[in-house]
Amino acid sequence: GAGVSQSPSNKVTEKGKDVELRCDPISGHTALYWYRQSLGQGLEFLIYFQGNSAPDKSGLPSDRFSAERTGGSVSTLTIQRTQQEDSAVYLCASGRGVLGSTDTQYFGPGTRLTVL
Amino acid sequence: QKEVEQNSGPLSVPEGAIASLNCTYSDRVSQSFFWYRQYSGKSPELIMSIYSNGDKEDGRFTAQLNKASQYVSLLIRDSQPSDSATYLCAVNRDTGNQFYFGTGTSLTVIP
Repeated sequence: GAGVSQSPSNKVTEKGKDVELRCDPISGHTALYWYRQSLGQGLEFLIYFQGNSAPDKSGLPSDRFSAERTGGSVSTLTIQRTQQEDSAVYLCASGRGVLGSTDTQYFGPGTRLTVL
Repeated sequence: QKEVEQNSGPLSVPEGAIASLNCTYSDRVSQSFFWYRQYSGKSPELIMSIYSNGDKEDGRFTAQLNKASQYVSLLIRDSQPSDSATYLCAVNRDTGNQFYFGTGTSLTVIP
């Protein structure tokens, strides 16, 4: 079946503009994660959705960042008033949402965001 | 202290040798441990997961977990040039299902 897909693959924007990044998880996966990865850095957790539960937003770096997940499937990460330090690759991952801690994440190809 | 620490490398090994990648984690309640491989410009792909102390083998890959020492490693036997990538260690606690990633170890296998 299809893997996790993300769009756009690349986004160049001007400082101060808003951007929306989209993630389509693997069908049937109830867990969805957003990360960002800056050049040469590890993955920084942003937000986690699990089914209909309230999302874990503890990783969002500022109130300019928000995310939603409609119908328990597609997710959109929105960055308002973008800053140059927001430039990174934004990765989405989905998982089966297995209870406990044995879930496995499958990553999408990422969106490379460049803020000029 | 970071949740997950890895030696950033670069680690270079000759083709056919064993590559050893190490990872330590800070939270004793961590329950699940993962190794991901990330080629340059690509997204991470899962190689191994391990949940119990000891060794877990899958083909040329062996993951080793020692919860008492808070240490997890990945051994790659008969290393191939195609194994050249950055290897990310990830840890999941029992609560919240939040994953913590190390910054990765860059591996180069020299033909």
